[in-house]
Amino acid sequence: EPEVTQTPSHQVTQMGQEVILRCVPISNHLYFYWYRQILGQKVEFLVSFYNNEISEKSEIFDDQFSVERPDGSNFTLKIRSTKLEDSAMYFCAVVEGGGPYNEQFFGPGTRLTVL
Amino acid sequence: GQQLNQSPQSMFIQEGEDVSMNCTSSSIFNTWLWYKQDPGEGPVLLIALYKAGELTSNGRLTAQFGTTRKDSFLNISASIPSDVGIYFCAGQFRGGSQGNLIFGKGTKLSVKP
Repeated sequence: EPEVTQTPSHQVTQMGQEVILRCVPISNHLYFYWYRQILGQKVEFLVSFYNNEISEKSEIFDDQFSVERPDGSNFTLKIRSTKLEDSAMYFCAVVEGGGPYNEQFFGPGTRLTVL
Repeated sequence: GQQLNQSPQSMFIQEGEDVSMNCTSSSIFNTWLWYKQDPGEGPVLLIALYKAGELTSNGRLTAQFGTTRKDSFLNISASIPSDVGIYFCAGQFRGGSQGNLIFGKGTKLSVKP
């Protein structure tokens, strides 16, 4: 199982502030995803990313959200102006190159709290 | 959007008992996956199913991909305290960059020693 690291583990921010969540890749990670999980609810898809561009995004992923992976470094999720309802766990998931392309492995998550 | 109906919502069982949970959908999926989530952590992949009718085991866990491709079940045999957690099914239409997962609402498992 590939190791997926996310930073920070917990982020507290004021409403309206920008936050950047990071997923630390390993070289053979091929596909990247962001999911979120509001407390006590199911995991929801936000966006998928391959070859330095967005492949697919959900209705949740509106103009306040953006992703990038500059120069093969950290895969980031940016929320431009946070709202109270953005409070959730945010998970990065990856698919390994050379592995089953259906199997997504999740990171430990970043708990985002918007005050 | 697509929805998965996962049941039961929660289970309280005695250590040593067998457990069964399932997911159904109105949509056909190409892949079913089962994850376990401990509090404050990310989902951990338990089993992936790729073909209709496929039955796959991982230790005490057994999962099946329904023949209609609209359902899947997960069985846990001889439960132990560390089986406690929330189990999620997830359906997937395609793999790779188009392979976003659609999750069920989870089954919360409690095991009494």
